[in-house]
Amino acid sequence: DIQMTQSPFTLSASVGDRVTITCRASQSVSSWLAWYQQKPGKAPKLLIHKTSSLESGAPSRFSGSASGTEFTLTISSLQPDDFATYYCHQYKTYPWTFGQGTKVEI
Amino acid sequence: QLQLQESGPGLVKPSETLSLTCTVSGGSIRSSNYNWAWIRQPPGETLEWLGSLHHDGSIFFNPSLKSRVTISVDTSKNQFSLKLTSVTAADLAVYYCARVVVASSGWVPFDYWGQGILITVSS
Repeated sequence: DIQMTQSPFTLSASVGDRVTITCRASQSVSSWLAWYQQKPGKAPKLLIHKTSSLESGAPSRFSGSASGTEFTLTISSLQPDDFATYYCHQYKTYPWTFGQGTKVEI
Repeated sequence: QLQLQESGPGLVKPSETLSLTCTVSGGSIRSSNYNWAWIRQPPGETLEWLGSLHHDGSIFFNPSLKSRVTISVDTSKNQFSLKLTSVTAADLAVYYCARVVVASSGWVPFDYWGQGILITVSS
């Protein structure tokens, strides 16, 4: 299985901050990497797919990039609605796998 | 607007079989543009992909579940289902169904999700 290692586990930030979350794959996933946002008691919401493609309806302050097997989710200016848990997900090879999650808190 | 809705018992006894159904509304489950999947999330933990039903009828499972999982489809009801046998306390989780877009430019994973259903395992 492809292991997805996210960091940090928890991130404390303030409104307006630039926030970066990293996800490293144990082997190549090409560009088949997605990011989700999840709030308590809710289903995850797709933000980005194919490394950097913004999902329809997702705010433009979210962006994704990659360098080899290291992927990054950036929030350019953190908004109150962005405090949530974020997961990376590789969908290159079955079994599809997820990172452990990064909780962004105030 | 596409909607997915999980349904099932909520409480399952140890060693019994969990049966869940995902009802799709606002779109056809038979479309060649989509695959369908089950994902679960134990309380406080990350997400686990359980299996996928492709539009061509092929089915793929997470090997971690060995032979305990089956997925089936009922196109007449626009539903697909999950069965998980021999459940234990380790199967306590919120179970989600979700859609995958199959596009020539590449798949888009899990763009629509059900609200999730909490499954408790207890005698």
